[in-house]
Amino acid sequence: NAGVMQNPRHLVRRRGQEARLRCSPMKGHSHVYWYRQLPEEGLKFMVYLQKENIIDESGMPKERFSAEFPKEGPSILRIQQVVRGDSAAYFCASAVAGDNQPQHFGDGTRLSIL
Amino acid sequence: GNSVTQMEGPVTLSEEAFLTINCTYTATGYPSLFWYVQYPGEGLQLLLKATKADDKGSNKGFEATYRKETTSFHLEKGSVQVSDSAVYFCALSGMNTGFQKLVFGTGTRLLVSP
Repeated sequence: NAGVMQNPRHLVRRRGQEARLRCSPMKGHSHVYWYRQLPEEGLKFMVYLQKENIIDESGMPKERFSAEFPKEGPSILRIQQVVRGDSAAYFCASAVAGDNQPQHFGDGTRLSIL
Repeated sequence: GNSVTQMEGPVTLSEEAFLTINCTYTATGYPSLFWYVQYPGEGLQLLLKATKADDKGSNKGFEATYRKETTSFHLEKGSVQVSDSAVYFCALSGMNTGFQKLVFGTGTRLLVSP
């Protein structure tokens, strides 16, 4: 029973390029969350999605960032025109439906901007 | 708003010492409380949780009690091992965070020496 799969594990981009981070939730999980972890800090919520719907994107910057969770395939976090400040670890978590079901985290994608 | 405050690290202990990592929270209503552990280069793993006042979560020798009167959820272990070295995150979720949106503390690094 595979856990939450994120790829790539490491991603290097130059300023101005696009970064695409992928997350495949655990089997049977219909809820996906994205968090960002800056160096030496805790995780900060970005966006919460269910299949084909964005439920809460209150933690995601209004510009350059977008997320989707299509009917088929992984969830994608997309960062356009990356800047140095986007360097961070991005974690995806998935959960089953229901109140306060535990979130299961992937190993993260470490994004470095040159 | 909702927030979690953890003691600053690193916490440095010798093997078999007693561990306490303090965590206090601010939230409206009755949040669920969690401890997550992050080993180097990995994602977060749920260590334990408590969903209502006076509940005690426990796992792998770790335990924490949900104290509503002191708004605390301190993590304890009677005898730590070198393999417990990791970063520990306290988190909450509940109605006011948006169901299941986790709010994390900044993390406490634990270093256990032989």
